[in-house]
Amino acid sequence: GAGVSQSPSNKVTEKGKDVELRCDPISGHTALYWYRQSLGQGLEFLIYFQGNSAPDKSGLPSDRFSAERTGGSVSTLTIQRTQQEDSAVYLCASSLGTRFTGELFFGEGSRLTVL
Amino acid sequence: AQRVTQPEKLLSVFKGAPVELKCNYSYSGSPELFWYVQYSRQRLQLLLRHISRESIKGFTADLNKGETSFHLKKPFAQEEDSAMYYCALSGRSGGSNYKLTFGKGTLLTVNP
Repeated sequence: GAGVSQSPSNKVTEKGKDVELRCDPISGHTALYWYRQSLGQGLEFLIYFQGNSAPDKSGLPSDRFSAERTGGSVSTLTIQRTQQEDSAVYLCASSLGTRFTGELFFGEGSRLTVL
Repeated sequence: AQRVTQPEKLLSVFKGAPVELKCNYSYSGSPELFWYVQYSRQRLQLLLRHISRESIKGFTADLNKGETSFHLKKPFAQEEDSAMYYCALSGRSGGSNYKLTFGKGTLLTVNP
């Protein structure tokens, strides 16, 4: 596709369940980012991938959060034992990665609601 | 540590009025600053970057290192400027730039 694709666009789950969020970056983009967007908190950095490796996981809020990237392309963000405070929009972004220009291309986000 | 502060959560102006969205940053090195915009039902996208010294859609922003600010300005606001605006900073971490630290955003409403 032409842009970053995320799925599902909306996810409602019960507290304690696990969820998986998927990101398909722009073809050829080696850098991939996950951010969390919530009311009053703006955009919080979660994790950065360069290729399949994650040199910066510093933003993951707890060990319930994990992410992987395979084939230098698709990434999955997994939240285990979801809590109500995990409710937010999870944004994925990608960039070429050869030289950082500050231009990240964002997806439309996955809105997670934990009941 | 890198920090970006946008003191106004909400900003409301009338069409044709000047608008200034404030952004202050905290970073010990030499940062790169950006403004991102998210229009209703659209994706977050880059508006402008300080290093380009460009004007996009009539908006400009000057990096003031003395005041550690990067305010976004437009002399005559238009209704289509209504959106959420995020200021972002990139600083060298571990020897290279690779990520953005965002502020909490300012929701701009331009009234007719």
